[in-house]
Amino acid sequence: ETGVTQTPRHLVMGMTNKKSLKCEQHLGHNAMYWYKQSAKKPLELMFVYNFKEQTENNSVPSRFSPECPNSSHLFLHLHTLQPEDSALYLCASSDTGKDTQYFGPGTRLTVL
Amino acid sequence: AQSVAQPEDQVNVAEGNPLTVKCTYSVSGNPYLFWYVQYPNRGLQFLLKYITGDNLVKGSYGFEAEFNKSQTSFHLKKPSALVSDSALYFCAVRGNTLKGSGYALNFGKGTSLLVTP
Repeated sequence: ETGVTQTPRHLVMGMTNKKSLKCEQHLGHNAMYWYKQSAKKPLELMFVYNFKEQTENNSVPSRFSPECPNSSHLFLHLHTLQPEDSALYLCASSDTGKDTQYFGPGTRLTVL
Repeated sequence: AQSVAQPEDQVNVAEGNPLTVKCTYSVSGNPYLFWYVQYPNRGLQFLLKYITGDNLVKGSYGFEAEFNKSQTSFHLKKPSALVSDSALYFCAVRGNTLKGSGYALNFGKGTSLLVTP
């Protein structure tokens, strides 16, 4: 449970605010992921980083900006979000080349 | 594209009864299938996965899943449900190979399991 941590756990922001979500993994993995979880919808993969390099961007709007300074840390910078961006944002990590992913508890984001 | 479907939004079962959470898959080639559980206010936790071999896969917390190739199903089961099993359950299938290495996971929309005392 503590292998992947995320902060903050809850975030309320206005549409003009700038905020950042943080993810840290203590599992020695080299791949990290951002997902968006909305009610009654499948998880949406947003970004993937492998050895600090962004390898996937699933057509995510530019108001979401990821950053991966090292293999243990992943950020999601948010600016000028829309109310429909309100969701649970999940971070995950995995061993390079492996398919099992380990998730953090998520950040519940509300955009007013 | 590799995908899974979870036909039930919610499953209700009484404590002590067996439970089944359904999942069907659509893949080209061999399927690599997963079950994850999400407890309230928590992230997804890995339960089990099927790659090859025995059609009955055993996982965490007493759960198991049965792979059925002819029915393209991978249902999650437990012989005796506990109230603490109440959670959201996600089926997933390994998807595209990601650049750099690794694989995408394509998730279903989830099934809410409610176990009543």
